[in-house]
Amino acid sequence: KAGVTQTPRYLIKTRGQQVTLSCSPISGHRSVSWYQQTPGQGLQFLFEYFSETQRNKGNFPGRFSGRQFSNSRSEMNVSTLELGDSALYLCASSFQPGNTGELFFGEGSRLTVL
Amino acid sequence: GENVGLHLPTLSVQEGDNSIINCAYSNSASDYFIWYKQESGKGPQFIIDIRSNMDKRQGQRVTVLLNKTVKHLSLQIAATQPGDSAVYFCAETLQGGSEKLVFGKGTKLTVNP
Repeated sequence: KAGVTQTPRYLIKTRGQQVTLSCSPISGHRSVSWYQQTPGQGLQFLFEYFSETQRNKGNFPGRFSGRQFSNSRSEMNVSTLELGDSALYLCASSFQPGNTGELFFGEGSRLTVL
Repeated sequence: GENVGLHLPTLSVQEGDNSIINCAYSNSASDYFIWYKQESGKGPQFIIDIRSNMDKRQGQRVTVLLNKTVKHLSLQIAATQPGDSAVYFCAETLQGGSEKLVFGKGTKLTVNP
């Protein structure tokens, strides 16, 4: 079956703009989580969604937001982009929360902020 | 090609050697640990996991050791192959709670033919 699909794979924005990233989980998976990966900070947890509800949120400013739709697809949004938001944004899905051993990552959306 | 005890950002080994990648975790309450492999341009891929009630778990060519006393994890790869070249991350969490993983810094493994 198809893996976790993230779009777009690459994008370039300028400071002050906003961006929306999309994630389609593996079919049947209802839990989606997001991570930010940078060379300096490594992999950091952003959010977790299950049944359209945010279950957990990482230590990121309010400019970072997300949501999950009834079909389990998820989006994350970053407003008022800063240079430091340049990163690989990874989405992961699992059948349900707590199935961490069955957490599957997408290939990420690489955001560059100029 | 073995390094024990200290986290190293990079590790270079010869093909066929055994590799040991180390990781220190931060939360003594964490009860579930996972090793991920990340190849260039890809997302992290699950390798092996271990629960806190175990101190060793073996998979195919990989073994994970857990020392809760010093909050230390290691990943051993037997007969390392060029296809094992990647960045390896350990991650910790509270099982059953959420998908909030806390990742270690990562070790870039290079396998020389």
